[in-house]
Amino acid sequence: GAVVSQHPSRVICKSGTSVKIECRSLDFQATTMFWYRQFPKQSLMLMATSNEGSKATYEQGVEKDKFLINHASLTLSTLTVTSAHPEDSSFYICSAPSGLGTGELFFGEGSRLTVL
Amino acid sequence: AQSVTQPDIHITVSEGASLELRCNYSYGATPYLFWYVQSPGQGLQLLLKYFSGDTLVQGIKGFEAEFKRSQSSFNLRKPSVHWSDAAEYFCAVGAGRAAGNKLTFGGGTRVLVKP
Repeated sequence: GAVVSQHPSRVICKSGTSVKIECRSLDFQATTMFWYRQFPKQSLMLMATSNEGSKATYEQGVEKDKFLINHASLTLSTLTVTSAHPEDSSFYICSAPSGLGTGELFFGEGSRLTVL
Repeated sequence: AQSVTQPDIHITVSEGASLELRCNYSYGATPYLFWYVQSPGQGLQLLLKYFSGDTLVQGIKGFEAEFKRSQSSFNLRKPSVHWSDAAEYFCAVGAGRAAGNKLTFGGGTRVLVKP
């Protein structure tokens, strides 16, 4: 079964509104989680690393104020797309390290955001 | 910096035929290598991984991959493809905890299976 769960799986919103996506680790703790963005027919691009108890680390070119990340507990990270615009429409996937120290990640099911 | 190249964007294969997906990586030390599969609109599922030891690794769904250090490759193979294998496949490289558990993904290869 899934060890990382994302919610919602699909969301449609109006331009200018904010959308929150949740990522939960099931039955294990994750001090770090990763948020990826995937455009249609393209690969996954790492957006940021979510750190429990501290600020997220953003990859170059990712707007911190646009994509707010909060790692509220050892099992929950949230990504909020603020003032969403159509160009923010994408597939967002979160992941958490397996804990083996080998870089293996467990991935969530993904969340498809459509901004009208 | 690490990087991954998947030279084939699309591959079409007949059901029952063999499949090989190419992956080349660039990394200064021994990498951790992964193959993930993604069905449309879904997250990623781990097929197999290589950390050390035997360079031929077996994964789920009948897949295997071979790590060749001299060629910086980690090609994925399956002897006989099933229609359900149609999906997007991603090769990824990481450095484990030393690199913050980050993975770098290749561009992906979309596999189409003909009846």
